[in-house]
Amino acid sequence: SQTIHQWPATLVQPVGSPLSLECTVEGTSNPNLYWYRQAAGRGLQLLFYSVGIGQISSEVPQNLSASRPQDRQFILSSKKLLLSDSGFYLCACSTGVGTDTQYFGPGTRLTVL
Amino acid sequence: KNQVEQSPQSLIILEGKNCTLQCNYTVSPFSNLRWYKQDTGRGPVSLTIMTFSENTKSNRRYTATLDADTKQSSLHITASQLSDSASYICVVSLINNAGNMLTFGGGTRLMVKP
Repeated sequence: SQTIHQWPATLVQPVGSPLSLECTVEGTSNPNLYWYRQAAGRGLQLLFYSVGIGQISSEVPQNLSASRPQDRQFILSSKKLLLSDSGFYLCACSTGVGTDTQYFGPGTRLTVL
Repeated sequence: KNQVEQSPQSLIILEGKNCTLQCNYTVSPFSNLRWYKQDTGRGPVSLTIMTFSENTKSNRRYTATLDADTKQSSLHITASQLSDSASYICVVSLINNAGNMLTFGGGTRLMVKP
Protein backbone atom coordinates (compact mmCIF):
# COMPACT_ATOMS: atom_id res chain seq x y z
CA SER A 1 0.00 0.00 0.00
CA GLN A 2 1.08 3.56 -0.57
CA THR A 3 2.76 5.73 2.02
CA ILE A 4 2.89 9.51 1.79
CA HIS A 5 5.69 11.49 3.37
CA GLN A 6 5.61 15.22 3.94
CA TRP A 7 8.22 17.52 5.33
CA PRO A 8 8.74 19.54 7.24
CA ALA A 9 6.06 18.70 9.79
CA THR A 10 5.93 22.27 11.06
CA LEU A 11 7.32 25.51 9.70
CA VAL A 12 7.34 29.10 10.89
CA GLN A 13 8.29 31.63 8.25
CA PRO A 14 8.28 35.44 8.06
CA VAL A 15 6.10 37.29 5.58
CA GLY A 16 7.87 37.69 2.27
CA SER A 17 10.09 34.65 2.65
CA PRO A 18 10.07 31.75 0.15
CA LEU A 19 8.46 28.39 0.78
CA SER A 20 9.10 24.86 -0.31
CA LEU A 21 7.06 21.93 0.99
CA GLU A 22 7.80 18.47 -0.25
CA CYS A 23 5.64 15.41 -0.62
CA THR A 24 6.84 11.99 -1.73
CA VAL A 25 4.87 8.83 -2.28
CA GLU A 26 5.97 5.23 -1.86
CA GLY A 27 4.27 2.01 -2.83
CA THR A 28 2.61 3.07 -6.06
CA SER A 29 3.55 4.40 -9.46
CA ASN A 30 2.00 7.10 -11.65
CA PRO A 31 -0.29 8.37 -8.89
CA ASN A 32 -2.53 11.40 -9.10
CA LEU A 33 -1.21 13.88 -6.56
CA TYR A 34 -3.01 16.66 -4.73
CA TRP A 35 -2.15 19.58 -2.48
CA TYR A 36 -4.81 20.74 -0.04
CA ARG A 37 -4.85 23.55 2.48
CA GLN A 38 -6.89 23.48 5.64
CA ALA A 39 -7.33 26.77 7.46
CA ALA A 40 -8.02 26.60 11.19
CA GLY A 41 -11.53 25.27 11.79
CA ARG A 42 -12.25 25.06 8.08
CA GLY A 43 -12.65 22.33 5.50
CA LEU A 44 -9.98 21.22 3.09
CA GLN A 45 -9.46 23.33 -0.02
CA LEU A 46 -7.91 21.78 -3.10
CA LEU A 47 -5.00 23.89 -4.31
CA PHE A 48 -3.33 21.83 -7.05
CA TYR A 49 -3.55 18.43 -8.61
CA SER A 50 -1.28 16.54 -10.95
CA VAL A 51 -1.98 13.55 -13.16
CA GLY A 52 1.64 13.13 -14.26
CA ILE A 53 5.17 14.50 -14.29
CA GLY A 54 5.17 18.17 -15.18
CA GLN A 55 1.36 18.30 -15.33
CA ILE A 56 -0.09 20.70 -12.80
CA SER A 57 -3.60 22.07 -12.55
CA SER A 58 -4.50 24.88 -10.21
CA GLU A 59 -7.89 25.03 -8.61
CA VAL A 60 -7.75 28.50 -7.14
CA PRO A 61 -5.73 31.64 -7.95
CA GLN A 62 -3.20 32.22 -5.24
CA ASN A 63 0.28 33.03 -4.13
CA LEU A 64 1.46 29.43 -4.37
CA SER A 65 2.73 27.19 -7.14
CA ALA A 66 3.30 23.47 -7.47
CA SER A 67 5.70 21.29 -9.38
CA ARG A 68 6.09 17.59 -10.04
CA PRO A 69 9.68 16.93 -11.03
CA GLN A 70 9.40 13.17 -10.55
CA ASP A 71 6.60 10.66 -10.69
CA ARG A 72 6.27 10.38 -6.93
CA GLN A 73 7.38 13.83 -5.85
CA PHE A 74 5.13 16.83 -5.48
CA ILE A 75 6.40 20.22 -4.32
CA LEU A 76 4.46 23.24 -3.12
CA SER A 77 6.27 26.56 -3.38
CA SER A 78 5.96 30.26 -2.95
CA LYS A 79 8.34 33.09 -3.79
CA LYS A 80 6.96 35.41 -1.11
CA LEU A 81 4.71 34.18 1.66
CA LEU A 82 1.67 36.12 2.82
CA LEU A 83 0.04 36.00 6.22
CA SER A 84 -2.97 34.36 4.59
CA ASP A 85 -0.80 31.42 3.52
CA SER A 86 -0.79 30.12 7.08
CA GLY A 87 -2.55 26.80 7.43
CA PHE A 88 -2.26 23.06 7.45
CA TYR A 89 -1.06 21.69 4.11
CA LEU A 90 -1.93 18.16 3.14
CA CYS A 91 -0.60 16.13 0.28
CA ALA A 92 -2.77 13.31 -1.04
CA CYS A 93 -2.54 10.67 -3.71
CA SER A 94 -4.90 8.46 -5.62
CA THR A 95 -3.84 5.58 -7.76
CA GLY A 96 -5.31 6.51 -11.11
CA VAL A 97 -8.20 7.82 -13.13
CA GLY A 98 -11.47 6.37 -11.92
CA THR A 99 -9.92 5.14 -8.71
CA ASP A 100 -11.62 6.88 -5.92
CA THR A 101 -9.46 6.43 -2.85
CA GLN A 102 -7.35 9.38 -1.82
CA TYR A 103 -4.74 8.79 0.84
CA PHE A 104 -3.43 11.67 2.84
CA GLY A 105 -0.01 12.48 4.19
CA PRO A 106 0.61 13.62 7.76
CA GLY A 107 0.50 17.30 6.82
CA THR A 108 2.69 20.37 7.31
CA ARG A 109 1.66 23.11 9.73
CA LEU A 110 2.76 26.45 8.27
CA THR A 111 2.66 29.64 10.30
CA VAL A 112 3.51 32.89 8.56
CA LEU A 113 4.38 35.73 10.93
CA LYS B 1 -22.32 24.67 -7.24
CA ASN B 2 -20.89 21.59 -5.54
CA GLN B 3 -21.22 21.95 -1.78
CA VAL B 4 -21.10 19.78 1.29
CA GLU B 5 -22.61 21.07 4.51
CA GLN B 6 -22.09 19.39 7.87
CA SER B 7 -23.83 19.79 11.17
CA PRO B 8 -23.29 20.37 13.96
CA GLN B 9 -20.02 22.26 13.68
CA SER B 10 -18.98 20.97 17.08
CA LEU B 11 -20.29 18.49 19.60
CA ILE B 12 -19.39 17.50 23.13
CA ILE B 13 -20.58 14.17 24.52
CA LEU B 14 -19.77 11.98 27.49
CA GLU B 15 -17.79 8.81 27.08
CA GLY B 16 -20.04 5.84 26.35
CA LYS B 17 -22.80 7.90 24.75
CA ASN B 18 -23.90 7.71 21.12
CA CYS B 19 -23.97 10.56 18.64
CA THR B 20 -25.00 11.27 15.07
CA LEU B 21 -23.32 13.66 12.67
CA GLN B 22 -25.11 15.00 9.60
CA CYS B 23 -24.00 15.77 6.06
CA ASN B 24 -25.99 17.34 3.21
CA TYR B 25 -24.53 17.69 -0.26
CA THR B 26 -25.28 19.13 -3.68
CA VAL B 27 -22.41 17.52 -5.59
CA SER B 28 -23.27 16.33 -9.07
CA PRO B 29 -22.57 13.99 -10.74
CA PHE B 30 -22.27 11.98 -7.55
CA SER B 31 -19.79 9.13 -7.38
CA ASN B 32 -19.55 8.25 -3.73
CA LEU B 33 -19.49 9.65 -0.23
CA ARG B 34 -16.85 9.11 2.41
CA TRP B 35 -16.54 9.91 6.03
CA TYR B 36 -13.04 10.75 7.21
CA LYS B 37 -11.71 11.05 10.72
CA GLN B 38 -9.02 13.65 11.28
CA ASP B 39 -7.13 13.74 14.53
CA THR B 40 -5.73 17.13 15.48
CA GLY B 41 -2.61 17.91 13.46
CA ARG B 42 -2.88 14.78 11.35
CA GLY B 43 -4.08 13.90 7.89
CA PRO B 44 -7.61 12.56 7.41
CA VAL B 45 -8.19 8.83 7.47
CA SER B 46 -11.09 7.22 5.64
CA LEU B 47 -13.73 5.53 7.83
CA THR B 48 -16.40 4.49 5.35
CA ILE B 49 -17.26 4.83 1.69
CA MET B 50 -20.68 4.46 0.13
CA THR B 51 -21.68 4.46 -3.49
CA PHE B 52 -25.01 5.55 -4.92
CA SER B 53 -26.62 2.14 -4.40
CA GLU B 54 -25.55 1.67 -0.79
CA ASN B 55 -27.59 3.13 2.03
CA THR B 56 -25.67 1.93 5.07
CA LYS B 57 -22.14 0.89 5.88
CA SER B 58 -20.57 -0.03 9.20
CA ASN B 59 -16.99 0.04 10.42
CA ARG B 60 -16.70 -1.12 14.00
CA ARG B 61 -18.56 1.48 16.10
CA TYR B 62 -19.14 3.76 13.13
CA THR B 63 -22.27 3.41 11.00
CA ALA B 64 -22.80 5.63 7.99
CA THR B 65 -26.07 6.04 6.13
CA LEU B 66 -26.75 7.53 2.74
CA ASP B 67 -29.98 8.74 1.17
CA ALA B 68 -29.06 9.57 -2.42
CA ASP B 69 -32.56 10.90 -3.12
CA THR B 70 -32.43 13.58 -0.46
CA LYS B 71 -28.62 13.88 -0.74
CA GLN B 72 -28.09 13.35 2.95
CA SER B 73 -25.71 11.21 4.93
CA SER B 74 -25.18 10.59 8.61
CA LEU B 75 -22.42 9.07 10.70
CA HIS B 76 -23.50 7.38 13.90
CA ILE B 77 -20.93 6.66 16.57
CA THR B 78 -21.89 4.07 19.13
CA ALA B 79 -20.54 3.80 22.67
CA SER B 80 -18.13 6.68 22.20
CA GLN B 81 -14.58 6.49 23.48
CA LEU B 82 -12.13 9.23 24.36
CA SER B 83 -10.15 8.35 21.23
CA ASP B 84 -13.17 9.30 19.11
CA SER B 85 -12.37 12.94 19.82
CA ALA B 86 -11.51 14.31 16.39
CA SER B 87 -12.94 16.13 13.41
CA TYR B 88 -15.22 14.10 11.19
CA ILE B 89 -15.31 15.19 7.60
CA CYS B 90 -17.90 14.30 5.00
CA VAL B 91 -16.41 14.11 1.52
CA VAL B 92 -18.37 13.71 -1.68
CA SER B 93 -16.67 12.55 -4.81
CA LEU B 94 -17.20 13.09 -8.48
CA ILE B 95 -14.98 11.62 -11.14
CA ASN B 96 -13.58 13.53 -14.06
CA ASN B 97 -10.54 13.14 -16.29
CA ALA B 98 -8.28 14.27 -13.46
CA GLY B 99 -9.17 11.27 -11.35
CA ASN B 100 -11.44 11.66 -8.42
CA MET B 101 -12.25 15.18 -7.35
CA LEU B 102 -13.42 15.61 -3.81
CA THR B 103 -15.67 18.19 -2.24
CA PHE B 104 -15.07 18.48 1.49
CA GLY B 105 -17.47 19.48 4.19
CA GLY B 106 -16.28 21.80 6.91
CA GLY B 107 -16.24 18.98 9.42
CA THR B 108 -17.78 18.34 12.80
CA ARG B 109 -15.43 18.64 15.73
CA LEU B 110 -16.32 15.97 18.27
CA MET B 111 -15.05 16.03 21.82
CA VAL B 112 -15.66 13.02 24.04
CA LYS B 113 -15.31 13.76 27.73
CA PRO B 114 -14.81 11.24 30.52
